[in-house]
Amino acid sequence: AQSVTQPDIHITVSEGASLELRCNYSYGATPYLFWYVQSPGQGLQLLLKYFSGDTLVQGIKGFEAEFKRSQSSFNLRKPSVHWSDAAEYFCAVGLTSGYALNFGKGTSLLVTP
Amino acid sequence: GAVVSQHPSRVICKSGTSVKIECRSLDFQATTMFWYRQFPKQSLMLMATSNEGSKATYEQGVEKDKFLINHASLTLSTLTVTSAHPEDSSFYICSRSGGAKNEQFFGPGTRLTVL
Repeated sequence: AQSVTQPDIHITVSEGASLELRCNYSYGATPYLFWYVQSPGQGLQLLLKYFSGDTLVQGIKGFEAEFKRSQSSFNLRKPSVHWSDAAEYFCAVGLTSGYALNFGKGTSLLVTP
Repeated sequence: GAVVSQHPSRVICKSGTSVKIECRSLDFQATTMFWYRQFPKQSLMLMATSNEGSKATYEQGVEKDKFLINHASLTLSTLTVTSAHPEDSSFYICSRSGGAKNEQFFGPGTRLTVL
């Protein structure tokens, strides 16, 4: 069955530390891959996306993600976390143009001083 | 700027009443739009695909008679929650796809609270 897995429900990091949020997918073919961030009570903001080409994708706010076909993963990283990065992060996949996205359950990021 | 808007952003209603949520594509004629629902502390779940000029396609477990979707124009899709109950309280988010790739543009969401 097609699925998106975010293994970590909660992650706590210190401000200035590095961050990696995991995302694994199970699809028959390489899907389109996305990372979104959601602040409390807010809508979704697209951080970055992967369709094809360079497997290391740069996004907004200093985030990057790497697509690894062999591991069916699309992990999100940031070298130095800021307190304002505290939010809910969702990995999502889509199959083809015009299809809805399938979201992971999300990872809640807490940033400590 | 925003390419998808939703109205209202928040609504509180009494149990048994109906609530209409509008989703507008501001910069693109969208033949297809999507409605998602997000319960507190949970992920977004696709409810239905709204198709301009034809019936919506509902996901398994979503009652089509309860969640009425109308996509009468290329820029507007509406979701009506009929006879709302407290368990329908949720964050409803619409989106549209656009361009050559499967990029989704999400609205800001509508927070529905049913008393």
